[in-house]
Order: sequence, then structure tokens, then C-alpha cells
Amino acid sequence: SYDLTQPSSMSVSPGQTARITCSGYALPHRYVYWYQQKPGQAPVLVIYKDTERPSGIPERFSASSSGATVTLTIGGVQAEDEADYYCQSTDIFGTLVFGGGTKLTVL
Amino acid sequence: EVQLVESGGGLVQPGGSLRLSCSASGFTFSSYWMSWVRQAPGKGLEWVANMKQSGSETYYVDSVKGRFTISRDNAQNSLYLQMTSLTDLDTAIYYCARGSAHCHSGDCFQTGVDYWGQGTLVSVSS
Repeated sequence: SYDLTQPSSMSVSPGQTARITCSGYALPHRYVYWYQQKPGQAPVLVIYKDTERPSGIPERFSASSSGATVTLTIGGVQAEDEADYYCQSTDIFGTLVFGGGTKLTVL
Repeated sequence: EVQLVESGGGLVQPGGSLRLSCSASGFTFSSYWMSWVRQAPGKGLEWVANMKQSGSETYYVDSVKGRFTISRDNAQNSLYLQMTSLTDLDTAIYYCARGSAHCHSGDCFQTGVDYWGQGTLVSVSS
């Protein structure tokens, strides 16, 4: 398997834009998913298949890619966005890989 | 509404066994890849295993190969994880997760997860 690298933590002020990166050599060739997890809760899907947003997820959540790095962008961060964020992709056929997670703190 | 409800977790001694179950509702269970994902206390998410809709294909993370077995009963809308030779490294919350898939040339393979259960805690300790 291969590794997906995320910053362990970051902080932003309310109303600012948060950009969480995820790097992995195979990312240009594989779908990427993003999950939000709040303390004591199960993860929630916020972005699927690179850039698609599930119904019910606010429009301030978006994603983009550049080479082997993908970026989850949260525009106009709100206090409720404070959470852990995980990127996820696939290794060989059928095998899922998660990034180490980024703890987003809203100051 | 998609619902995934795990059960079967608990305290088990090192070397012991445990069987987790996941009851699914709100969708056509037999049409989806299904996975188990775990999270050790204070740690990140780790994919454990998944199974194709028909059960014809299964995949495991290296650390559980030969010890864990994923299975499903499409008639009962249920997913299972049989865990043996448990060690303290297996202590975690285990989530049942519905697969998001990409289909190409008539075949579909899992690329992510779109719904998660609330998880069941497995503690391995003497």
C-alpha cells in the first residue's frame, strides 16, 4: 500500500478559508474522498469522487487537485466546522487507504 | 434513510475471538460493496476489509490477513466480521461502511465510503 500525507493540524479564524492538503503519488489516477469527523461521532462524507459534494453538505466545502496533491477547501469557516478531516483513496484494486487526518481548529 | 447498525463488540482477552455484525436498512444491500473500517483510541481511520456485492471478492489490510474474515448475508441485509487471534493492536471502534463504487465496462469496484454506522467498540485486554 502507499501513504497519503496530510498536515496533522491547522487552525483558522471564523470566516477565513481553510485549505487542507493530501498528497500521494497515485492521486492523479485515483478517486479521492474526504470525511469529516467530530469528537465522539462517526465520520461523515463531505466530498466524493474528487470534487462531488453529497446532498446536505454546505457549498462552502469544495475540493481541487494539482498533480499528486489534492486540497479540501472550506470557505467561510464556521465554528461547527471544527473537526478532524481525512482524505481517502485506493491502492490496488479494491483496497482503501486513509490519510492520517488533519485536526482543524476554529479559533 | 440509510442505516447501518453494528453490534458484537466488547471486551476480549488477547488471543480470543469476536464476531461483529452490521445490520443494514434503507437501501438495496445486495447492490453495494461493504467495508469495515476501524479507529484505535485517539488515532486515525484504518480500512480493515471489504467485500463485493455478491461476496465473490474480498480484500483485507495486511495486518489482519489470516485472522479476520469478512462475510455478508444479502438475504438478511447483514455484514459480518469474524475476528480471531486478537491482540491489543486490534483495540478500536469498528465501523460498518457502505461502499461508493466506480463502474467501468460492466464491473464495479469500491473507491470510497458514502455512509457509516455509529461503530462498535472492541477492547482487547487481559
